[in-house]
Amino acid sequence: KQEVTQIPAALSVPEGENLVLNCSFTDSAIYNLQWFRQDPGKGLTSLLLIQSSQREQTSGRLNASLDKSSGRSTLYIAASQPGDSATYLCAVNLRRTGANNLFFGTGTRLTVIP
Amino acid sequence: DAGVIQSPRHEVTEMGQEVTLRCKPISGHDYLFWYRQTMMRGLELLIYFNNNVPIDDSGMPEDRFSAKMPNASFSTLKIQPSEPRDSAVYFCASTEGGDSGNTIYFGEGSWLTVV
Repeated sequence: KQEVTQIPAALSVPEGENLVLNCSFTDSAIYNLQWFRQDPGKGLTSLLLIQSSQREQTSGRLNASLDKSSGRSTLYIAASQPGDSATYLCAVNLRRTGANNLFFGTGTRLTVIP
Repeated sequence: DAGVIQSPRHEVTEMGQEVTLRCKPISGHDYLFWYRQTMMRGLELLIYFNNNVPIDDSGMPEDRFSAKMPNASFSTLKIQPSEPRDSAVYFCASTEGGDSGNTIYFGEGSWLTVV
């Protein structure tokens, strides 16, 4: 069974710092990996999606990388801002079709201190 | 579009009572998902529908849980009878098309507390 782990569970950084969130998965036979953001009391918002054939994806200050062979992904946030405070979850999808069938990690709760 | 709409946002109920959670997916989306989120187990897929038909309900924890999708714009998740261990946030999500690369949209969740 696919297991997705995120370390650390919580992280606090001062504003302006660059940071890296980690995600690891046990079964490397994934089709894609997604990073989501969850604000307190809210649902999840998709941030980045990396296909298994890709090494990284970028969106603004966010950069996600994928090393499928080692079962790892990172989410890099540059020049962090207080508005980045949220829980970040990664999720892997094992199939191309049949829509999203995601296995989620338990998330990293990020606090950016002004 | 207003996004995925869930109701109620919060519910507190007594053990043994029936709970019905509701979801309106984004118009035009043909896949609908029900997830449960707890501190201990994180996010788990309970069931998903394609064109109103349940495709995979292997995540439904037990017979007390049931889900229906009578039409393309409405789905329910019912718990009967409810138990304290059912306390969690229940999310509905929808997506368009069968490619797993399509964006999935989540509602804001229904926060259930069973006392």
